[in-house]
Amino acid sequence: AQSVTQPDIHITVSEGASLELRCNYSYGATPYLFWYVQSPGQGLQLLLKYFSGDTLVQGIKGFEAEFKRSQSSFNLRKPSVHWSDAAEYFCAVGPLGYNKLIFGAGTRLAVHP
Amino acid sequence: DVKVTQSSRYLVKRTGEKVFLECVQDMDHENMFWYRQDPGLGLRLIYFSYDVKMKEKGDIPEGYSVSREKKERFSLILESASTNQTSMYLCASSPQGQETQYFGPGTRLLVL
Repeated sequence: AQSVTQPDIHITVSEGASLELRCNYSYGATPYLFWYVQSPGQGLQLLLKYFSGDTLVQGIKGFEAEFKRSQSSFNLRKPSVHWSDAAEYFCAVGPLGYNKLIFGAGTRLAVHP
Repeated sequence: DVKVTQSSRYLVKRTGEKVFLECVQDMDHENMFWYRQDPGLGLRLIYFSYDVKMKEKGDIPEGYSVSREKKERFSLILESASTNQTSMYLCASSPQGQETQYFGPGTRLLVL
C-alpha cells in the first residue's frame, strides 16, 4: 500500500544552522513527490516537487530535496535556516488517480534565535 | 496567480447543527479536494470531485457529504455536527493531468 512516513514529529534548530527533514515513501511505481509548508494558521504552500529527471530539485525559499530511489526517500534540506522557516512541513506522494496525494503526518520545525 | 478561498477562517457550531464549508477556486481546475487536518495525523482526504456533480469518497467520508454544482465551487457538509469533527478543514484544487494541489487557507471548526 502507498504510504508516506515522516519520522521526525518535531525538530528544533538554531537560526543559521543547516536543516534536513526526512521523508520515506512506499509506492508501487515511479512516484511524484512533493514538499509543502504550512505557516501557523495558514493553508499549505508548495515548496518543491519531483516528477522525473534530475534527482536534486530546487524549490522556493532556498529549499532543495533529493530523490533517492534506492532508499525510497525524498529528504528536504536547507543550508541555513531563518527564523521565518518555523512552520510545519508535509511530504506527499502520488499520483493515486484523479490527482490524489497521500500526505505524511508532518514535521514541526522550531527555530531558535 | 492561483487562488483558493474558503468561506470562513474560524467557525463555532453546536452538536447536531448542519454545517456548510464552502471552497471556491478561480483557476478553472477540474479536481477539488476536502481534507481534515489533525495533530499527528497529517492530512486525511474526506471527499474529492473530478468534475461538476461528480464526487468520490476519500479515506474518511463518514459523517460528511459534498456538493459540486459549479466547477469553481466545492462544498463540504456536516449533516449533524459532532464534537469529534472539531478540526482544521483544508480545501485544495488541481488541474486535470497535473498532480500539484493548491490549497486554501483552511477553516478551523470547533463543535461544542
